[in-house]
Amino acid sequence: SYVLTQPPSVSVAPGQTARITCGGNNIGSKSVHWYQQKPGQAPVLVVYDDSDRPSGIPERFSGSNSGNTATLTISRVEAGDEADYYCQVWDSSSDHHVFGTGTKVTVL
Amino acid sequence: QVQLVQSGAEVKKPGASVKVSCKASGYTFTSYDINWVRQATGQGLEWMGWMNPNSGNTGYAQKFQGRVTMTRNTSISTAYMELSSLRSEDTAVYYCARGFMVRGVLGGMDVWGQGTTVTVSS
Repeated sequence: SYVLTQPPSVSVAPGQTARITCGGNNIGSKSVHWYQQKPGQAPVLVVYDDSDRPSGIPERFSGSNSGNTATLTISRVEAGDEADYYCQVWDSSSDHHVFGTGTKVTVL
Repeated sequence: QVQLVQSGAEVKKPGASVKVSCKASGYTFTSYDINWVRQATGQGLEWMGWMNPNSGNTGYAQKFQGRVTMTRNTSISTAYMELSSLRSEDTAVYYCARGFMVRGVLGGMDVWGQGTTVTVSS
């Protein structure tokens, strides 16, 4: 089955840039989506189709995808960005949605 | 506004079944797939399966094949997920989520329910 690997944690100071990676075999050929989940809340879609933002999501959130790695970038990080982040793809070979292992972003 | 509202918390004994509902509003229920995702305490997101509310077609994660059933009632814009033969490891928050397509292929999930806590305990 298809596996998506994320770093368990990323720490970043306010105002700096956080980069969260999502590794998968030839993930660049797939459409990657990213979710933010704060404690006790449902996930929220923050980036879809590699680099598009749903309405209401700040421009500070951006994404890229190439080769074996997709990346979610959070610019000018704020305290409110502290959350868990998950990548996700549709794996057509197994007809399964697959989520990454998740990354906890801590704002120092 | 577009929203999914789920049924309330459940406590079940091992071996029992649970059925969680997910009521859609603010959009045409039959135009978007419904996915079910669960999350055990302190763990990541786990996809369980999807259902097309228009056709009733379903696709289940291999892990849950034979134990999960996803259905719908289009007259009340409600989707259901039933999980049988419950065990303690099924204790988790269960979410429904609206699916969207990307270039004609299943994509991601753009609207999520608030979650339903299912506790399996003797």
